Amino acid sequence: GAGVSQSPSNKVTEKGKDVELRCDPISGHTALYWYRQSLGQGLEFLIYFQGNSAPDKSGLPSDRFSAERTGGSVSTLTIQRTQQEDSAVYLCASSRSTGFDEQFFGPGTRLTVL
Amino acid sequence: SQKIEQNSEALNIQEGKTATLTCNYTNYSPAYLQWYRQDPGRGPVFLLLIRENEKEKRKERLKVTFDTTLKQSLFHITASQPADSATYLCALVTGGSYIPTFGRGTSLIVHP
Repeated sequence: GAGVSQSPSNKVTEKGKDVELRCDPISGHTALYWYRQSLGQGLEFLIYFQGNSAPDKSGLPSDRFSAERTGGSVSTLTIQRTQQEDSAVYLCASSRSTGFDEQFFGPGTRLTVL
Repeated sequence: SQKIEQNSEALNIQEGKTATLTCNYTNYSPAYLQWYRQDPGRGPVFLLLIRENEKEKRKERLKVTFDTTLKQSLFHITASQPADSATYLCALVTGGSYIPTFGRGTSLIVHP
């Protein structure tokens, strides 16, 4: 069956530009997570969506970062006025239920800010 | 402060041996601990979840132990194969939270 997909797979942008990263979770999964992973670093939590509840935004590093999830499915992570330190791999994961469950990760979007 | 530690040095072992990876944590009271495998250029793949009241979990050649007194989880791969070469991440979730905190991972290299 289809897994979690993310687009684009690679994004190169200039400092100061806005970028949008997309995540298509597994159909029926109620929970959706965004993480970022810098070279040699662990996964850094960014934001968590669960059903129709208000998202947990506690991991967003600055107000330049925002995310939305439309119709409980597709999610978009937006980074405004990108900085070089935003360069990383952005990973999306979804999971089935309201209880803690295994996460299914997408392949990630590699963002490079020049 | 809260910390999750995984050995940053790669673990090199010979094919057929048992690989043992360590995840230590401080100032956490995890309800769950998970192990993931990550290959270069790919997202992590879930392997095993163990709960705070479980001492050990097995799945095929994989075994995870969880010692809440030592604040440590061990991840074992028996009869290791070169295809097991990857980075292995541990992730902790505290009670009442659905947000895991990941370690930086340990690279495992299995030599034929």
